[in-house]
Parts: sequence; structure tokens; C-alpha cells
Amino acid sequence: QSALTQPPSVSGSPGQSVTISCTGSSSDIGNYNRVSWYQQPPGTAPKLMIYEVSNRPSGVPDRFSGSKSGNTASLTISGLQAEDEADYYCSSYTTSRTWVFGGGTKLTVL
Amino acid sequence: QVQLVQSGAEVKKPGASVKVSCKASGYTFTSYYIHWVRQAPGQGLEWMGVINPSGGTTVAQKFQGRVTMTSDTSTSTFYMELSSLKSEDTAVYYCARNSGWYYADYWGQGTLVTVSS
Repeated sequence: QSALTQPPSVSGSPGQSVTISCTGSSSDIGNYNRVSWYQQPPGTAPKLMIYEVSNRPSGVPDRFSGSKSGNTASLTISGLQAEDEADYYCSSYTTSRTWVFGGGTKLTVL
Repeated sequence: QVQLVQSGAEVKKPGASVKVSCKASGYTFTSYYIHWVRQAPGQGLEWMGVINPSGGTTVAQKFQGRVTMTSDTSTSTFYMELSSLKSEDTAVYYCARNSGWYYADYWGQGTLVTVSS
């Protein structure tokens, strides 16, 4: 199972919006609405930000939103804040009954 | 509150094995699966496998034959053992609770395993 494809880096200024894409295949993203997103600041464990494509856990700001079209999922962060600077990973359940992560995207807030 | 507390850092020689523990608390141990995920230095997250509290496992193809995941309901602890260690296995190893659906909702603090001669 190959890793999902994410851009290595994205950046934006405070207050702007950024979108991180996550491309898989018909064996994972395209077959299920079982995509999740995780935020990982340096030196810390990942934190769940979005589950089942577009749902936010309690406590996650509504500036974070998720969507999916075909084999590609996306995470959008609006109203960027300095505290959003971190690595972001997508993940999907697969038809092999396994999970797969994306390669990660480093978000820089300019 | 849900907590996953992992064992401390390990240094191993190539060819050896390492066993990492993950002690769960704050929820019903028998109701949730646990994922094992690793992260090599400067690299991304890599899914290794998942175990249910009864001991059933699914292991990523890459690790089949080298990873053993177990659970001990008496101590609410999960274990991940990786054998035939290579330098490329140097990484932080995380346990993470599966929510009951298809995502990990709580993560351990991570265990650094260093493989060096």
C-alpha cells in the first residue's frame, strides 16, 4: 500500500486560507469516507483534527474544515494563526483493511 | 480522561529485538483497538498495524514476519515487538487508540527506539 500523496509544504500569511491536498486511489480515499487529518507540531505526538472527511472533534476550531472529491481529500485552514504552524498528515482506511498515511505537509505561517 | 502511556526510550544493536509497551487508562480497555505508528527522524508517519484487545491483529505488509503485537487485559497494556532490528528502524514509535470507527482519537507520547552498533 503506497503512501497517500501530499505537497511537502504550504505557506500563508496570518488571516489567509490554505488548502492541503491528499491524493490516494480507488483502494482508499476513493472507496470510503474514512479520511482523517492530524496536526503535529515539532516534537509532539499527532493530534486528530478532522475525521470521516469533514467532521471536527470537540475542541478543534471551526477554521479547520475537510472535504473530498474522488480520490483526493483536502484540509482547509481559514483565518491562519501562528499557532497553526505544524506538520499535517492525512490518513485513510483501505480496501485491504489497513490504514495508510500521507507523506505529510509542513505548514509555515509567514 | 483517556491516557496512553508508553515505555521509555531504548537503544538496541542491529539484529536485536525491542518491545514497546502502551498502558491504557481512562476508558474501557476491551472496547477499543490500538494502532502502532512509527516516525523516523525527519520523516512522516508510517502505519505498522492494529490490534484488538482480544489479540487479533492486522499488520502492514512491510512489517509482516517482524512485528508482534500483543495485549494484556490484566494490566490494560498493549505491546509491540519488532525483531531483526536495522538502523532504518530508528524512529519514534507511537500507540494510538482507534476511535471505534476508522481514525485514531488519542495518541501515546511516543517511544524513541535507536538502533546503532
